[in-house]
Amino acid sequence: AQKITQTQPGMFVQEKEAVTLDCTYDTSDPSYGLFWYKQPSSGEMIFLIYQGSYDQQNATEGRYSLNFQKARKSANLVISASQLGDSAMYFCAMRERNGGFKTIFGAGTRLFVKA
Amino acid sequence: GAGVSQSPRYKVAKRGQDVALRCDPISGHVSLFWYQQALGQGPEFLTYFQNEAQLDKSGLPSDRFFAERPEGSVSTLKIQRTQQEDSAVYLCASSPRLAGMIQETQYFGPGTRLLVL
Repeated sequence: AQKITQTQPGMFVQEKEAVTLDCTYDTSDPSYGLFWYKQPSSGEMIFLIYQGSYDQQNATEGRYSLNFQKARKSANLVISASQLGDSAMYFCAMRERNGGFKTIFGAGTRLFVKA
Repeated sequence: GAGVSQSPRYKVAKRGQDVALRCDPISGHVSLFWYQQALGQGPEFLTYFQNEAQLDKSGLPSDRFFAERPEGSVSTLKIQRTQQEDSAVYLCASSPRLAGMIQETQYFGPGTRLLVL
């Protein structure tokens, strides 16, 4: 079974608008962390935001916020005020307390920001 | 400061050749990870080093894959007798502390794109 599911292969958003990238996850470990990374065409993964399973509030980092719905096992990324430079691949990822040293990534969503 | 660097950035190999991919982590980083990213997919974990100790190699797809980090800094991922299915981007990541903390941020390099013909 897929541990991280990103159902949107591609998304378009108009510059300056907000966009939500979906992520659902599957784990039986009560302690886990969820990450979002951005991968521009240059190739390196850039950390954006982190949400711990016990965190009471949704994580925010500048224009990025994570809509964490624990009961639904979803961790959607919201990008506000999109910029042309936001065009990239976005990956949702998870680490489990009992998962050893592995970070598990989804298949990614390609975001296109239109001028 | 310098980030994680990887070399070569691109490698073309003939099937059956051996290749060596290098990763220079951020200076002082304890943890080092290797990932394989197939085209159109997310990265998949290969192996983890804590300093020079390889603590997890459960993601290495076969015994043709070998990784080392002899002095706890630079790491090399070696693939013997390459096959076409080894074609992928190989990403290296480092982090300053031990990997036991779930929230530990990993800093990624630009990757090496390997094409096996």
